[in-house]
Amino acid sequence: DSGVTQTPKHLITATGQRVTLRCSPRSGDLSVYWYQQSLDQGLQFLIQYYNGEERAKGNILERFSAQQFPDLHSELNLSSLELGDSALYFCASSVSGGASLGEQYFGPGTRLTVT
Amino acid sequence: GDSVTQMEGPVTLSEEAFLTINCTYTATGYPSLFWYVQYPGEGLQLLLKATKADDKGSNKGFEATYRKETTSFHLEKGSVQVSDSAVYFCALSVYGGSQGNLIFGKGTKLSVKP
Repeated sequence: DSGVTQTPKHLITATGQRVTLRCSPRSGDLSVYWYQQSLDQGLQFLIQYYNGEERAKGNILERFSAQQFPDLHSELNLSSLELGDSALYFCASSVSGGASLGEQYFGPGTRLTVT
Repeated sequence: GDSVTQMEGPVTLSEEAFLTINCTYTATGYPSLFWYVQYPGEGLQLLLKATKADDKGSNKGFEATYRKETTSFHLEKGSVQVSDSAVYFCALSVYGGSQGNLIFGKGTKLSVKP
């Protein structure tokens, strides 16, 4: 158990809908990262927050947004969902922001299926 | 841009066989290099890392050496077990300070048969 929790574990929804994925980092970790894992694209970085502020953006679509709250949990919002958004979404956390400074701990993921 | 290329899988080995999974990278600057492992139905776990050239990361019998001259970070294990069956991801990060996202290879699925 990495100490990172993600809810829900599975999510099935229809095209055009909006969903929110939630992540609670390990106690004491300030950084939260979101990654998308799909068969065709592999593991792709979406966005990073550090102590409530956005720090880095990867291949995140405009239909997707995220935030980190004062208690450091994070939410990833996916809207106007398309079939291609079906994927496993991972959250990771680390004490610091720099990957070379600290290990990233991954949650178990949320499997999103868009029908 | 920065990228990681690792050997295509799946790789199927018999128990106690020698394992090598090749990984090469392209990066601006001086990256830190990582191997993560994903067991079925779970998230990724850091297996080992190396932060500068010639560093050797090791854990649970796995080893990888950061080779700057060949831009490689190949994963090796002398004797694999059935419990090593998983997907292995090579990754890098070139960022410091408070920015630290990882760039992953496509993953290599390893199956170890008894």
